[in-house]
Amino acid sequence: QKEVEQNSGPLSVPEGAIASLNCTYSDRGSQSFFWYRQYSGKSPELIMFIYSNGDKEDGRFTAQLNKASQYVSLLIRDSQPSDSATYLCAVNRWPGGYNKLIFGAGTRLAVHP
Amino acid sequence: GAVVSQHPSWVICKSGTSVKIECRSLDFQATTMFWYRQFPKQSLMLMATSNEGSKATYEQGVEKDKFLINHASLTLSTLTVTSAHPEDSSFYICSARVPAGRLTEAFFGQGTRLTVV
Repeated sequence: QKEVEQNSGPLSVPEGAIASLNCTYSDRGSQSFFWYRQYSGKSPELIMFIYSNGDKEDGRFTAQLNKASQYVSLLIRDSQPSDSATYLCAVNRWPGGYNKLIFGAGTRLAVHP
Repeated sequence: GAVVSQHPSWVICKSGTSVKIECRSLDFQATTMFWYRQFPKQSLMLMATSNEGSKATYEQGVEKDKFLINHASLTLSTLTVTSAHPEDSSFYICSARVPAGRLTEAFFGQGTRLTVV
């Protein structure tokens, strides 16, 4: 079992729709969770992080965390073609104070006009 | 946000040669930097954790004698791929975290596309 699992996609949504991206993790000791966006050939850029159960909203993005079920999701409202990218879920395990991030394989999102 | 600069952005080298990649934190001091490798259509795989002034901690399966990491200052970590082979061709990315707790953001460098021919 992979530590962080994501559906590879592609997830195809029409422009203006809500895109829903999901991620599950295996380590119950995980403390914080991150969503990154990565365009092809570029390094990841942080969208948002969440560490408490519930929802966290930032503009068009909402992260949802359910530690009991060990899943975290990202909703993108009013999806735009520029949102087309690979979305990486990352989990922080806090061993030895190093703040290591463990990444999922990513979900490719395609927003079509 | 904080800036992490990685250099070079791409490099082509001959099989058997060594390549050095630099990762600099430009406006903050990074006591810890991370080196990742990403193959096409795959996720980032952590290679090693680089700590200023001490030996790097390598992930299981990563050859420490092949991937030499040096973190000589609070703003610079280097990754040297020694005796590179075509299978080492990949996208190498460094990241640094501001040392302020467990919830801080990780800032990524631009990445280095290594092609070994």
